[in-house]
Amino acid sequence: DAGITQSPRHKVTETGTPVTLRCHQTENHRYMYWYRQDPGHGLRLIHYSYGVKDTDKGEVSDGYSVSRSKTEDFLLTLESATSSQTSVYFCAISEGLDINSPLHFGNGTRLTVT
Amino acid sequence: GEDVEQSLFLSVREGDSSVINCTYTDSSSTYLYWYKQEPGAGLQLLTYIFSNMDMKQDQRLTVLLNKKDKHLSLRIADTQTGDSAIYFCAEGTSSSNTGKLIFGQGTTLQVKP
Repeated sequence: DAGITQSPRHKVTETGTPVTLRCHQTENHRYMYWYRQDPGHGLRLIHYSYGVKDTDKGEVSDGYSVSRSKTEDFLLTLESATSSQTSVYFCAISEGLDINSPLHFGNGTRLTVT
Repeated sequence: GEDVEQSLFLSVREGDSSVINCTYTDSSSTYLYWYKQEPGAGLQLLTYIFSNMDMKQDQRLTVLLNKKDKHLSLRIADTQTGDSAIYFCAEGTSSSNTGKLIFGQGTTLQVKP
């Protein structure tokens, strides 16, 4: 697992409620990422971080925000959850200084928005 | 923009070789990756290849890269039932300078006993 913990592992929430997913790493890596996985789409990047308080948008960032106040924690927030955000969310970290170093993934959070 | 394409499903018999194919569009890709995902788990890095290489072998895994055709393949020799999983191809987008990867849709490998 490369020292990556995602919480919660499963969550069911109602449309319109806020949701925060947490990713915690013990590797002290600079780069952290949030992806979502949906059938037929593979993994799509939501947001990523290249350092504390340094974040940027990915290809499917609408409806999501992130924060990184400490190296080890990267939070993903759905301000007002919608059914289209039902998905499996994966956090990933990059193992080295090379910007194209391989990603290592957590075990995912399954989110259901009813 | 960048895009990665894979076939969705492959079925083989135990002991046969499996070949999973992938095409990509970004000619500036520096690294190309193969990940494996077992049910209920995250993605596990299997292997990766630099774009200046043609082939990489790692035990039962062989990665072939045809840079001219932007085609990547993963061959699994002597496929076992434990190899049943979803396999993702991904490219490193050096042009964006972020280290993010672009993933294909994933190929589900079914291994029949």
